[in-house]
Amino acid sequence: NAGVTQTPKFQVLKTGQSMTLQCAQDMNHNSMYWYRQDPGMGLRLIYYSASEGTTDKGEVPNGYNVSRLNKREFSLRLESAAPSQTSVYFCASSDRDRVPGNTIYFGEGSWLTVV
Amino acid sequence: KNQVEQSPQSLIILEGKNCTLQCNYTVSPFSNLRWYKQDTGRGPVSLTIMTFSENTKSNGRYTATLDADTKQSSLHITASQLSDSASYICVVRVMDSSYKLIFGSGTRLLVRP
Repeated sequence: NAGVTQTPKFQVLKTGQSMTLQCAQDMNHNSMYWYRQDPGMGLRLIYYSASEGTTDKGEVPNGYNVSRLNKREFSLRLESAAPSQTSVYFCASSDRDRVPGNTIYFGEGSWLTVV
Repeated sequence: KNQVEQSPQSLIILEGKNCTLQCNYTVSPFSNLRWYKQDTGRGPVSLTIMTFSENTKSNGRYTATLDADTKQSSLHITASQLSDSASYICVVRVMDSSYKLIFGSGTRLLVRP
């Protein structure tokens, strides 16, 4: 049981390049999320998906797109990377989105540097 | 504005000692408060979740308290171990249609032998 798996772990991009961060969960969760974590700041929600086939913008969606490929997989795409997108990205999932006490499980993170 | 502030930003203690981390929040309407542990280079892992009516919740050597009147929470670590070295993140959930989570920036704890 791997939980939430993200790839790649580390990536260096040049400004303007595109890339996709992959995320998969094996807990049969309906809800999945993408967060970014910057130094001195709390995690901020980029996009989330309450169920297969649905996606919604979070707090900082600009410059990103997402795809909920199926119930297991939720990918995050940077179409034209900018230095401001240098960050650590976390994928997460939960079994119940609209339940106050739900437990959210995080992946190990993806370190992205845009030069 | 919904905010979660944590103090101190960083803390160094000796192995075996106790410590207390603080969290103040201005989140409304309040749903619940969570503490996460984040090891260096890893994702956050849930320690506790407390609702409005819960004052104290324990998870092994970790004890979280919540004062909903003053909007303060603390995380007390007893008999610290080297493996407690990590960042501890306070998170508050908003009780509205967004169910949004507001994350604090964390307290970085270093336990020295």
